[in-house]
Amino acid sequence: AQTVTQSQPEMSVQEAETVTLSCTYDTSESDYYLFWYKQPPSRQMILVIRQEAYKQQNATENRFSVNFQKAAKSFSLKISDSQLGDAAMYFCAYRSFQGAQKLVFGQGTRLTINP
Amino acid sequence: NAGVTQTPKFRVLKTGQSMTLLCAQDMNHEYMYWYRQDPGMGLRLIHYSVGEGTTAKGEVPDGYNVSRLKKQNFLLGLESAAPSQTSVYFCASSRQGVAQHFGDGTRLSIL
Repeated sequence: AQTVTQSQPEMSVQEAETVTLSCTYDTSESDYYLFWYKQPPSRQMILVIRQEAYKQQNATENRFSVNFQKAAKSFSLKISDSQLGDAAMYFCAYRSFQGAQKLVFGQGTRLTINP
Repeated sequence: NAGVTQTPKFRVLKTGQSMTLLCAQDMNHEYMYWYRQDPGMGLRLIHYSVGEGTTAKGEVPDGYNVSRLKKQNFLLGLESAAPSQTSVYFCASSRQGVAQHFGDGTRLSIL
């Protein structure tokens, strides 16, 4: 079974600076997807970014980018120019390429933005 | 543009009571899921469905039942609620190759 580990329960960053959230995973599969979801205090689960394992190029969405290291099974999220609205819980998630599209989540990292 | 709608948003039950959580999606997605979220933990899969009339167990299925009689609806039932089932419940839907869309969650407290 796949597992996802987020080793940083909490992180904080000054507004306008850059922060990196870590995620590692364990799988024997070669094809899969990885995701970062944001959960603000409103409790919504918001997709931030997605990476297909067969793509070597790291995904980027505006101020959000990932560092995907397939051999190391590492998938970190970098947030540039941090904004107050980025404060939230961030969850890393794994999904197999085939099958029922089930997500396996990490424990989450709570990100605080200091003004 | 509703997406995934969960009903109710909040509920308090007494131990032993039963209830059903309703999830409805308007995106014609094949797959639907129920997760629970507990403090300090990520979301854990309770049950899921890969199509109308089908259901399967996830990681933490004990104490819950589900039904998918219509493609757009996925019901989660608690037959005899226990305090350990106090949690926030999320429904999600997707189709092949598409990221899951989540509802806004249901906060369930069992006294």
